Amino acid sequence: TQLLEQSPQFLSIQEGENLTVYCNSSSVFSSLQWYRQEPGEGPVLLVTVVTGGEVKKLKRLTFQFGDARKDSSLHITAAQPGDTGLYLCAGDHAGGTSYGKLTFGQGTILTVHP
Amino acid sequence: GAGVSQSPRYKVTKRGQDVALRCDPISGHVSLYWYRQALGQGPEFLTYFNYEAQQDKSGLPNDRFSAERPEGSISTLTIQRTEQRDSAMYRCASSLTGQSTDTQYFGPGTRLTVL
Repeated sequence: TQLLEQSPQFLSIQEGENLTVYCNSSSVFSSLQWYRQEPGEGPVLLVTVVTGGEVKKLKRLTFQFGDARKDSSLHITAAQPGDTGLYLCAGDHAGGTSYGKLTFGQGTILTVHP
Repeated sequence: GAGVSQSPRYKVTKRGQDVALRCDPISGHVSLYWYRQALGQGPEFLTYFNYEAQQDKSGLPNDRFSAERPEGSISTLTIQRTEQRDSAMYRCASSLTGQSTDTQYFGPGTRLTVL
């Protein structure tokens, strides 16, 4: 079983602060995705990282895939109340028989206060 | 275009009853996934299909759970003899090709409550 450990589980910060969410595993993933989920909605994909050491930026969000493809981080600069939500990492252990099967982390609930 | 739809959105049933949850994926999407999600937690994989073929059902909790996608489009997740521990949000997702880097588009979910 490939497990993804996300930390922290809860994060409550003030508008304008920076934050980092971590996603760690003992397994190698062929790709890793970050999703954001708002209350009452399904997860929505933010980014997919594939190459070890890869860094992707999406406005104020910076995503990094570890060199060994076992860990990832999401960094948000100058957080805004609109960033509030559940952030999920999900890994794909492709190459076996379950192509496209995602293992999700337990999520980080982010609250940004005005 | 239309996204992934699920029905019903809410289902309340009594323990011991069977329930059928429906997922209508994005038109033309090859792969369809079923997940179960607890409040404030990440989705937990149940099963997935490529076209009509069930590729992996390793996440189904026990033999009361089954899924089908007979024509490679709409899928039904069936839970027989429901138990209170089955209460959860059941989510469906679809992707165009099913490749590891493909985007999975999630539906709004069905909230199942077993009394």
